[in-house]
Amino acid sequence: EPEVTQTPSHQVTQMGQEVILRCVPISNHLYFYWYRQILGQKVEFLVSFYNNEISEKSEIFDDQFSVERPDGSNFTLKIRSTKLEDSAMYFCASSPGQYNSPLHFGNGTRLTVT
Amino acid sequence: QQQVKQSPQSLIVQKGGISIINCAYENTAFDYFPWYQQFPGKGPALLIAIRPDVSEKKEGRFTISFNKSAKQFSLHIMDSQPGDSATYFCAASGSARQLTFGSGTQLTVLP
Repeated sequence: EPEVTQTPSHQVTQMGQEVILRCVPISNHLYFYWYRQILGQKVEFLVSFYNNEISEKSEIFDDQFSVERPDGSNFTLKIRSTKLEDSAMYFCASSPGQYNSPLHFGNGTRLTVT
Repeated sequence: QQQVKQSPQSLIVQKGGISIINCAYENTAFDYFPWYQQFPGKGPALLIAIRPDVSEKKEGRFTISFNKSAKQFSLHIMDSQPGDSATYFCAASGSARQLTFGSGTQLTVLP
């Protein structure tokens, strides 16, 4: 069964540094998402991406964050000038695109900011 | 108004028992209600989902009950097994495609 793959599985960075989290969505999916989960808390929506542009974003997704689909397969989340509170599990997801079609999540990247 | 409230926070059930997790929402624009199962170190995986035009949906041992007037929905796991031990999240979405998740329920099924 096709799956969403994320790299790296764990990223440690120092406060103030930039990180790029990478995702390969399922190949025929059209909508891409980033969610985050702070340890022990609920999964929170960050941003959705369709047709090479952001379709929706949450209040969390401020100017510190950006997303990009640099080629036909990868989908990246860049966090500039990381803060301690950015430490979380970041999940990429994709869906085929039909209204309310299921989201398929990757296994996440654990980001630790020290 | 975007919140989805989930209870209980944790649940311990004996093998063979019924696990029941409840969620409530406020936004009447929500029209899709999935449940996700998450094992440690993994991403959430879709378990079962319901739309508000039906009051119940069953897939194997998993059943969603939906009460539109009360704006509540619940997950029932029949004949719970130790392999069902995981964190369960309810969620909701509407015309905006992003999911709003509940806070999660950590289910432990004792052998």
